[in-house]
Amino acid sequence: DIAITQSPSSVAVSVGETVTLSCKSSQSLLYSENNKDYLGWYQQKPGQTPKPLIYWATNRHTGVPDRFTGSGSGTDFTLIISSVQAEDLADYYCEQYFVYPLTFGSGTKLEIK
Amino acid sequence: QVTLKESGPGILQPSQTLSLTCTFSGFSLSTYGMGVGWIRQPSGKGLEWLANIWWDDDKYYNPSLKNRLTISKDTSNNQAFLKITNVDTADTATYYCARRGITLDYWGQGVMVTVSS
Repeated sequence: DIAITQSPSSVAVSVGETVTLSCKSSQSLLYSENNKDYLGWYQQKPGQTPKPLIYWATNRHTGVPDRFTGSGSGTDFTLIISSVQAEDLADYYCEQYFVYPLTFGSGTKLEIK
Repeated sequence: QVTLKESGPGILQPSQTLSLTCTFSGFSLSTYGMGVGWIRQPSGKGLEWLANIWWDDDKYYNPSLKNRLTISKDTSNNQAFLKITNVDTADTATYYCARRGITLDYWGQGVMVTVSS
């Protein structure tokens, strides 16, 4: 199974700051045939259903603000949230969909100072 | 507009079989490339992928649940199903179904399931 490790487990930032969340995979998620990384990011606000943010490691889903940026390739990925807003308070999960069983990271809790 | 909604028993006893239904609209599970996944989340914990079913009836399961899972679909009625046999308290969680094209792009609201004697 591919293990996904997210760090930090929690982070607190002030409104307007930039935060970087890390997601590391135990195996490469890059498929050479199409040069795509099979990694997605999700946001789960308190008491709500997870919402998709990023697919193919770097592509924003429709309606996701451009302050959310996915980057990385292979085994190391990041989600950068620029100019954090109070509404960004949430848990953030990455998921690999490269091979079965699909696996999620344990999440990063973003808190607002 | 894509929507999904889970339904289930709410509470059941250890060793029983959990049967969940996902009723969806706005897409078809007969469309090439479409799939539905089941994911669960114990209270205060992270997400765990359980199973996927695809338009062509391909099915995939999380092996950590040791052959307790069965996923199926009724394309005519826009439903997907998940059964978990021999439940115990560790299966207490909120269960979500979600559409999978590339990623899980639309989620249901989730259904809480409690296993208790």
